[in-house]
Amino acid sequence: EADIYQTPRYLVIGTGKKITLECSQTMGHDKMYWYQQDPGMELHLIHYSYGVNSTEKGDLSSESTVSRIRTEHFPLTLESARPSHTSQYLCASSATRDPGVGANVLTFGAGSRLTVL
Amino acid sequence: QKEVEQNSGPLSVPEGAIASLNCTYSDRGSQSFFWYRQYSGKSPELIMFIYSNGDKEDGRFTAQLNKASQYVSLLIRDSQPSDSATYLCAVNTGGFKTIFGAGTRLFVKA
Repeated sequence: EADIYQTPRYLVIGTGKKITLECSQTMGHDKMYWYQQDPGMELHLIHYSYGVNSTEKGDLSSESTVSRIRTEHFPLTLESARPSHTSQYLCASSATRDPGVGANVLTFGAGSRLTVL
Repeated sequence: QKEVEQNSGPLSVPEGAIASLNCTYSDRGSQSFFWYRQYSGKSPELIMFIYSNGDKEDGRFTAQLNKASQYVSLLIRDSQPSDSATYLCAVNTGGFKTIFGAGTRLFVKA
């Protein structure tokens, strides 16, 4: 049963529109992440957060922005969508633990598949 | 050179056989290692993690880590058709940074 929720699951939108992908988790995890995945390709980290009011960009350049005002909520926003933004966006979270008990184990949401026409 | 490399497959094994999935990584400072399973159209889910050299067993799954060779593997014993999926190797190099391979597609024939 998923403890991390993403909405919408599917979104088809026109170029230039502003979109927000929602992500919420009920596990009390301090760390949250946004990954981007194209079919048959690696997951690429685009944003992460260590906690409230802490956000950083990942390795993959992205025109999106994120916010972390509440521990459980980590929305991703695209101010002006373009066809190049078409992809699967995966939200994940993890708890701070020692390596022996699963440090950095990621729990993923179901994903948001975005298509920009 | 990619940071985490996997054979894309597909790897095809008959039902009941052992499936062997391999992964190499480039960063010698890597600390934790993960195998995730991803069914088509679904998100990744954790199978196992390992952080010290040697073998770690969980049911039909065994993860093997060799830090000197920068090599991680996953063995699936008694493979079932329901094991057919893409298996993602992931490596954490410290802090937030978990790097994923592109995955190996496994097909278990009934």
